[in-house]
Amino acid sequence: QKEVEQDPGPLSVPEGAIVSLNCTYSNSAFQYFMWYRQYSRKGPELLMYTYSSGNKEDGRFTAQVDKSSKYISLFIRDSQPSDSATYLCAMHGTDKLIFGTGTRLQVFP
Amino acid sequence: DAGVIQSPRHEVTEMGQEVTLRCKPISGHNSLFWYRQTMMRGLELLIYFNNNVPIDDSGMPEDRFSAKMPNASFSTLKIQPSEPRDSAVYFCASRGGGIQYFGPGTRLLVL
Repeated sequence: QKEVEQDPGPLSVPEGAIVSLNCTYSNSAFQYFMWYRQYSRKGPELLMYTYSSGNKEDGRFTAQVDKSSKYISLFIRDSQPSDSATYLCAMHGTDKLIFGTGTRLQVFP
Repeated sequence: DAGVIQSPRHEVTEMGQEVTLRCKPISGHNSLFWYRQTMMRGLELLIYFNNNVPIDDSGMPEDRFSAKMPNASFSTLKIQPSEPRDSAVYFCASRGGGIQYFGPGTRLLVL
């Protein structure tokens, strides 16, 4: 079993939809949780960063962590075509990040 | 700041040839990471350095891969000899303030 599991998609939604992206993990020691966004032919860039359980909101993006279920989510409200990218969850291990395989999102006009 | 710089951006080579990928981290960052990304396996950590010292190379696939960081502003990842299964996008990232910043990647194709 992988330490971090993420549905690869692709996920295709119309503009304006609410998008939910999810990851599960197995290591209860993870404390820091991140979402990276990767546009085609670019490097991943940090989108959201949360510590422990709870919610964090930044504009149209909300990151949610449920440590009891070992489950994290990223919600995108009012999705835009410019949100089309691959979204990777990442979790902080001892001194390195463990990444999910990424979910490819396509928002069509 | 220019961000993490990688070169070359694209590399096409023949099986058996030596390939050298280069990375310049963001100035002031003390940690540097090399990743490989493929459709099948996603983003895999190959090796990382703290203060120019290799800390964990358990992700390096085999002895054909080697990485060096001779100073705080430069690192190389070398594959010798290269094989078609090494075809992937190789990313370098540096860490500052707990956050990893990725370079644009080197797209490697081994024929």
